[in-house]
Amino acid sequence: DAGVTQSPTHLIKTRGQQVTLRCSPKSGHDTVSWYQQALGQGPQFIFQYYEEEERQRGNFPDRFSGHQFPNYSSELNVNALLLGDSALYLCASSLHQGSSYNEQFFGPGTRLTVL
Amino acid sequence: GEDVEQSLFLSVREGDSSVINCTYTDSSSTYLYWYKQEPGAGLQLLTYIFSNMDMKQDQRLTVLLNKKDKHLSLRIADTQTGDSAIYFCAESSSTGGFKTIFGAGTRLFVKA
Repeated sequence: DAGVTQSPTHLIKTRGQQVTLRCSPKSGHDTVSWYQQALGQGPQFIFQYYEEEERQRGNFPDRFSGHQFPNYSSELNVNALLLGDSALYLCASSLHQGSSYNEQFFGPGTRLTVL
Repeated sequence: GEDVEQSLFLSVREGDSSVINCTYTDSSSTYLYWYKQEPGAGLQLLTYIFSNMDMKQDQRLTVLLNKKDKHLSLRIADTQTGDSAIYFCAESSSTGGFKTIFGAGTRLFVKA
């Protein structure tokens, strides 16, 4: 089992550009959550996808959007990049259990640098 | 809103016990977690505790929960240099759905 995988590992973009990050969940998991971790901070919840729909969203602007595919993999898209979007983007997968218990398995993250 | 706070830095000697503290504001928190993050790696779930429990022990790890004071602690017995990492306290609640709220992390430095 490869666990949660993310691509790319590193990415450099310039302000105003758009970026797509990808995540493959752990085998058997059907739910994917995305987090933004700025340097020296804890992860901030962006949104979660289950059954190909966004189920919950954190306090992030509409520039942040996502998608989940039938195979449960997911993409995070960020438009009109700002310098402040520079961060480690973490993907976490879990199995939807209909309760608040959420044993999430995290990927290694994608380091995005916006110049 | 929900908030999780923890001290930013802790330094201990190898073999001593480490205690990392955390406070949270959401009284509806259902599950509380401790994650570990090593440089260049993702987050690893160390342990979690359900809100109706006071204590949970797992090998060298002991979690204490004071629900009245909304205080959570993680004790690592016989701390080793390999325990040096950032430790994140986190919570999720039934009212918050599946959203997990993290603290800013406590950097644990273990001196040999």
